[in-house]
Amino acid sequence: DAGVTQSPTHLIKTRGQHVTLRCSPISGHKSVSWYQQVLGQGPQFIFQYYEKEERGRGNFPDRFSARQFPNYSSELNVNALLLGDSALYLCASSLGGDGIYGYTFGSGTRLTVV
Amino acid sequence: AQSVTQPDIHITVSEGASLELRCNYSYGATPYLFWYVQSPGQGLQLLLKYFSGDTLVQGIKGFEAEFKRSQSSFNLRKPSVHWSDAAEYFCAVGPTGNQFYFGTGTSLTVIP
Repeated sequence: DAGVTQSPTHLIKTRGQHVTLRCSPISGHKSVSWYQQVLGQGPQFIFQYYEKEERGRGNFPDRFSARQFPNYSSELNVNALLLGDSALYLCASSLGGDGIYGYTFGSGTRLTVV
Repeated sequence: AQSVTQPDIHITVSEGASLELRCNYSYGATPYLFWYVQSPGQGLQLLLKYFSGDTLVQGIKGFEAEFKRSQSSFNLRKPSVHWSDAAEYFCAVGPTGNQFYFGTGTSLTVIP
């Protein structure tokens, strides 16, 4: 069985640009969450989607948006990139909508903003 | 406010020695607690979780953790560390509004 897959694995963008990150959850998982992990820190919650609806939003600016598609895959979009957006972006899927049984994480997308 | 504190930024142990990684949390209700491990350049892998019941939980790779409500702690232990255990370890608590809170991690180095 495929795990959580994220694409691309690495990305370099210029300040002010826009980026789209993609995630495919484990088959059967209907919930996708996005986390940002800055170097040397723990993951910070950005969004959670369940059954194509936003169920949670962390303390991130409106430049960050996301959506979930009918096949439960998800996109994270970041507009007007700042140097501080450089981080590892992790997607996590879970069976239920609340993640209480734990997440399965993808390997992440390493975003570098220059 | 919900938060997780991992007091040890970095720990070094000898292979075969025992290990304990500390985790303290602040949470307004009965917490769901997790330990994850992250190898360099990788995502996080779930080691174990606690919901309720027996306060000593067993996980994968020979890890265990003990929930102590009176101390707001959920420390991770392993009796004998292997070189392959070298990684970053994260404690997490939640959920609040479907959000989980992670600590800043403990980096484990294993020396031969």
